[in-house]
Amino acid sequence: NAGVTQTPKFRVLKTGQSMTLLCAQDMNHEYMYWYRQDPGMGLRLIHYSVGEGTTAKGEVPDGYNVSRLKKQNFLLGLESAAPSQTSVYFCASSYSSRASGSSYEQYFGPGTRLTVT
Amino acid sequence: TQLLEQSPQFLSIQEGENLTVYCNSSSVFSSLQWYRQEPGEGPVLLVTVVTGGEVKKLKRLTFQFGDARKDSSLHITAAQPGDTGLYLCAVMTTDSWGKLQFGAGTQVVVTP
Repeated sequence: NAGVTQTPKFRVLKTGQSMTLLCAQDMNHEYMYWYRQDPGMGLRLIHYSVGEGTTAKGEVPDGYNVSRLKKQNFLLGLESAAPSQTSVYFCASSYSSRASGSSYEQYFGPGTRLTVT
Repeated sequence: TQLLEQSPQFLSIQEGENLTVYCNSSSVFSSLQWYRQEPGEGPVLLVTVVTGGEVKKLKRLTFQFGDARKDSSLHITAAQPGDTGLYLCAVMTTDSWGKLQFGAGTQVVVTP
């Protein structure tokens, strides 16, 4: 049981290049999320998905696109990378915990460190 | 402006000392979560508090949810180097779908 995995772990891009970050979870969770983490700003939600084939914008969606073609995978794309997108990207998944009412526990991957030069 | 204000931003203590970190807001929440993030890893849930005034203990960690459900604290007794990490508080957004809003975190360093 691997939980949430992310590939790649590190990547360096030049401005204008594109790339896709892959997130996979084996817990059969309905909900998946992409965050970015920058110093002093905590985790900010980029996009999220509440089920296969559905995606929605989060707090900071500009410059990113996502797809959820399979329940276990959530892809984050950068079409034209910019230095402002240098960050650590985290994927997370969750389910609704019936035992604790409306509390959701999120399970995070190990992160992808992206540098755009 | 952050919905959740965490303080202090950074805390460095020696092994065996006690520490408290805070998560404050002007808003009322139905529940609040605390996560710990170790270097190079993703955050891991420590606890969820749901009732005003609730106190939960996890070994040497004590979590308290404020009576008015606007704030929370995390107290660590006799800190150990393994407690080193970034402590994040988080609350669900009002439009749900399990979305969380995080504070900026408190970086705790415990030296032997």
